[in-house]
Amino acid sequence: GAVVSQHPSWVICKSGTSVKIECRSLDFQATTMFWYRQFPKQSLMLMATSNEGSKATYEQGVEKDKFLINHASLTLSTLTVTSAHPEDSSFYICSARGGHQETQYFGPGTRLLVL
Amino acid sequence: AQTVTQSQPEMSVQEAETVTLSCTYDTSESDYYLFWYKQPPSRQMILVIRQEAYKQQNATENRFSVNFQKAAKSFSLKISDSQLGDAAMYFCAYTPFGSQGNLIFGKGTKLSVKP
Repeated sequence: GAVVSQHPSWVICKSGTSVKIECRSLDFQATTMFWYRQFPKQSLMLMATSNEGSKATYEQGVEKDKFLINHASLTLSTLTVTSAHPEDSSFYICSARGGHQETQYFGPGTRLLVL
Repeated sequence: AQTVTQSQPEMSVQEAETVTLSCTYDTSESDYYLFWYKQPPSRQMILVIRQEAYKQQNATENRFSVNFQKAAKSFSLKISDSQLGDAAMYFCAYTPFGSQGNLIFGKGTKLSVKP
């Protein structure tokens, strides 16, 4: 149980394009989902917290117009990187809170490379 | 401010031996949860073990166990009978009870397992 999928796992795009990443909780309902960014050899950096049906809460320094988050259902959250630039290249990980309410289960991550 | 500290950037263990990873945290809360997550080279974050602060009994999951010292704010992870598949980054994380579940991560410990 407590499986979270993330799609795509890999994406390469040209500078200026937008990229959408999906995060799904497959076998539980997730009222809260989280989006992280991870740089090589570093810990996870929380970008935003999203609750189903409401606007996401962004961490300080994260541009909400750059990283659009939608949490339309209890099993799906999406992160759209708008007008991507090479500095947005990173590893993006989502997680969902379910089961034991304080436990987060993570998706496998998405590697984004912007050329 | 709540912080999580992992003082060992890297650790090494011989296959079949036991290793202990250290984690300390700082909080003024009395109720909270602590976690150990494993991130292998695939970069999938995997929940290893979970501890509720109100429980005095140390959590155990097969070869993984914790030494939770609430007064000392210490939460170490012991891996017994180490296997090659245990090689990974290990992150200690904290979240206060009743919060949205935002995790505060340590910087991680890279564990190598020697055959």
